[in-house]
Amino acid sequence: SQQGEEDPQALSIQEGENATMNCSYKTSINNLQWYRQNSGRGLVHLILIRSNEREKHSGRLRVTLDTSKKSSSLLITASRAADTASYFCATDAASGTYKYIFGTGTRLKVLA
Amino acid sequence: NAGVTQTPKFQVLKTGQSMTLQCAQDMNHEYMSWYRQDPGMGLRLIHYSVGAGITDQGEVPNGYNVSRSTTEDFPLRLLSAAPSQTSVYFCASSYSSATDEQFFGPGTRLTVL
Repeated sequence: SQQGEEDPQALSIQEGENATMNCSYKTSINNLQWYRQNSGRGLVHLILIRSNEREKHSGRLRVTLDTSKKSSSLLITASRAADTASYFCATDAASGTYKYIFGTGTRLKVLA
Repeated sequence: NAGVTQTPKFQVLKTGQSMTLQCAQDMNHEYMSWYRQDPGMGLRLIHYSVGAGITDQGEVPNGYNVSRSTTEDFPLRLLSAAPSQTSVYFCASSYSSATDEQFFGPGTRLTVL
């Protein structure tokens, strides 16, 4: 089955730096979503980007989508200690199966 | 709104026992789903429902049953627990389908001995 795979698996940065994580997937999609998970908690939706969009912003978040390369990136600018979490991308199947497939996630640690 | 609630928060079972994980939402969402998350892994879809009376299988449905008799509730039943089902289980809901933002519950941590 298709799967989003995040890269890197783990990332450690200093507060104030930017964090970039990438997601690759295998088949055509309708849209791609990014979620955040704080340790031991449920996931929180961050942003959704549709297949006909190339870039989307939400506060300090910037998401890009390159459907030709089947990849997306999530940029967090001016990171804070509170951004420490795992970040997952989730992709749907373009055929409309009502299923979302999650990647294995990027563990981000922001050092104060 | 309470959002998506899950009970219990923690559960320990012995191999072969059965149990039901409860999930409820008060947002009048049509789409609900169950995922499991194993250590260091992403979420894998177990079952989902696009509305009351309609359910379908996800990536890893074996050993689990679901039903959707009301819009609000989507229980997950483990028929005969196995150690391989030790995991954290998350329920999620969204307004109309998986293509909308999903709201997640806090999870149920299940250990099967």
